[in-house]
Amino acid sequence: QVQLQESGPGLVKPSGTLSLTCAVSGDSISSSNWWSWVRQPPGKALEWIGEIYHSGSTNYNPSLKSRVTISVDKSNNHFSLKLTSVTAADTAVYYCARTPQRASVHDYWGQGTLVTVSS
Amino acid sequence: DIVVTQSPDSLAVSLGERATINCKSSQSVFSSSHNKNNLAWYQQRPGQPPKLLIYWASTRESGVPDRFSGSGSGTDFTLTISSLQAEDVAVYYCQQYYSTPQYIFGQGTKLEIK
Repeated sequence: QVQLQESGPGLVKPSGTLSLTCAVSGDSISSSNWWSWVRQPPGKALEWIGEIYHSGSTNYNPSLKSRVTISVDKSNNHFSLKLTSVTAADTAVYYCARTPQRASVHDYWGQGTLVTVSS
Repeated sequence: DIVVTQSPDSLAVSLGERATINCKSSQSVFSSSHNKNNLAWYQQRPGQPPKLLIYWASTRESGVPDRFSGSGSGTDFTLTISSLQAEDVAVYYCQQYYSTPQYIFGQGTKLEIK
């Protein structure tokens, strides 16, 4: 059974950097899947942030591209998200998810972690 | 950019009755290379992550009850729950993946019991 688990600070100061890690179990991060980050502000809709392949290839949401970096750690089977210059608008539940080879959807999700941007 | 709009924003349906949620894309999401529509549906129960229900507009994900079905083509799509169960109370999202790597979700439809 594929499982994903997000971890990282739950509180980030404005103008700071949000850093999260997603640990993957039950699948190799070097498999033929992409690995994504999706966020959801409280009471609002889902927003795709970006994705990474084990080769290091990345794709980002154009609206966040200037502030986002996604990286992969194959030795530890996890991938990470960094979002710089955060504001209150970046307060959200952050999910990591798998995008399978069969279709560009998200078939396995982490439970999500709430990140609050506040001083 | 493709815009995805769901309707209604919320609906209330009696147990055992049919629930229908619509999703409209501003551009066709039909892929001639796959001969399929790049449209998915997710269910998000309160406090839970989204769960993939349907992809390619009508292909049910493994383990999803057959009361859930997807239909439509091009720009107009529908998620139907044939006989509403209590555990179906959730917010439902459609997602287009035609314009990958830009995945775009609809605004969500909240489904409640009448």
